[in-house]
Amino acid sequence: KNEVEQSPQNLTAQEGEFITINCSYSVGISALHWLQQHPGGGIVSLFMLSSGKKKHGRLIATINIQEKHSSLHITASHPRDSAVYICAVNRNTDKLIFGTGTRLQVFP
Amino acid sequence: GAGVSQSPRYKVAKRGQDVALRCDPISGHVSLFWYQQALGQGPEFLTYFQNEAQLDKSGLPSDRFFAERPEGSVSTLKIQRTQQEDSAVYLCASSPHRVLRYNEQFFGPGTRLTVL
Repeated sequence: KNEVEQSPQNLTAQEGEFITINCSYSVGISALHWLQQHPGGGIVSLFMLSSGKKKHGRLIATINIQEKHSSLHITASHPRDSAVYICAVNRNTDKLIFGTGTRLQVFP
Repeated sequence: GAGVSQSPRYKVAKRGQDVALRCDPISGHVSLFWYQQALGQGPEFLTYFQNEAQLDKSGLPSDRFFAERPEGSVSTLKIQRTQQEDSAVYLCASSPHRVLRYNEQFFGPGTRLTVL
């Protein structure tokens, strides 16, 4: 069993829909990251959080430490949001442990 | 400013060949990480440097893999006697000096290695 699990693995949406991607982890963590990877492209950091909630534009990330769960929400989704979204954690070290990613496709 | 750069972007090697992958981190970034990403999977940790010191190499899959960062800036990941299972995208990331406990990592575009 992976230490970091994401759901769903694949997600399709119509433009304008509200999207939620979930991340669960089985170990104690120091920080959790949400990352975005476009096809053939590099990885961009969206959020790093260790408690509560963060918002940047149409993106919102929340974390519940007690339940070992985080969610990434996208409001008013757009085709340019189509990408792979990856959850990753720090476990008292600097290296990241990654989930397998959620592939999102938003259709116009 | 310039982000993390990696070269080459694509590398095709014959099985048994040695390869060297280069990473230029963001100037001034203390920490440098190498990750391996197989097709359809999330990245997996290979090794980590703080300046020139290799602090963690627990993710290197075999002794055919070697990484260095001799002057605390550019890093090279070398794979000797490549095997087909080494085919993957190799990602480099850097992060700034640790004021906070953990820092955002900045990723390069990756090097896609295909071993025939």
